[in-house]
Amino acid sequence: QSALTQPASVSGSPGQSITISCTGTSSDIGAYNFVSWYQHHPGKAPKLIIYEVSSRPTKISNRFSGSKSGNTASLTISGLQAEDEADYYCSSYTGTTTLYVFGTGTTVTVL
Amino acid sequence: EVQLVESGGGLVQPGGSLRLSCSASGFTFSRFGMHWVRQVPGKGLVWVSRIKNDGTVTDYTDSVKGRFTVSRDNAKNTLYLHMRNLSAEDTAVYYCSREAVVVGAHDYWGQGTPVTVSS
Repeated sequence: QSALTQPASVSGSPGQSITISCTGTSSDIGAYNFVSWYQHHPGKAPKLIIYEVSSRPTKISNRFSGSKSGNTASLTISGLQAEDEADYYCSSYTGTTTLYVFGTGTTVTVL
Repeated sequence: EVQLVESGGGLVQPGGSLRLSCSASGFTFSRFGMHWVRQVPGKGLVWVSRIKNDGTVTDYTDSVKGRFTVSRDNAKNTLYLHMRNLSAEDTAVYYCSREAVVVGAHDYWGQGTPVTVSS
């Protein structure tokens, strides 16, 4: 099971919107609506920000939104803030013995 | 407050063994499946293993099958990862995570424990 493909880096100015893509296959992202996204500040615990493609946990800002089309999922961060600088990982359930596959990770920089 | 705290990482020689622990608090541990996920320095996250809430079902990524064993002690609110026959490719930060009630998500994570396999 290969890692999902994400851009290595994305940047934006405060207040702007950015979108991170996550490309998989018809066996993972394309097969299930079980795509999740995680925010990871290095040295800290990763944080779930999106589950089931587009749902947000209770305490997560509505500036974070998710979507999916075919084998590609996307995370959009609107109203970019300095605190959004972090690494972001997508993940998909696979239904195989390797239950989950993660993305290659995207570093978000706020200019 | 949900807390997951990993321990047991360190330096081990190739071919050696190590046992990682993940101490859980702030929730009813026995009700949730648990996972181990690792991150090679400078690389992305990789799912390693999962154990069902009652310990009856375990799953592993192909690269660790036969070498790693996940277990849990629900009376002690602790998750374990027994790793043997370690190689340099196992060098990583190992995170434990809680399986969310919704399918396909890990809703809480620990801060990780580093494992270095080197002679």
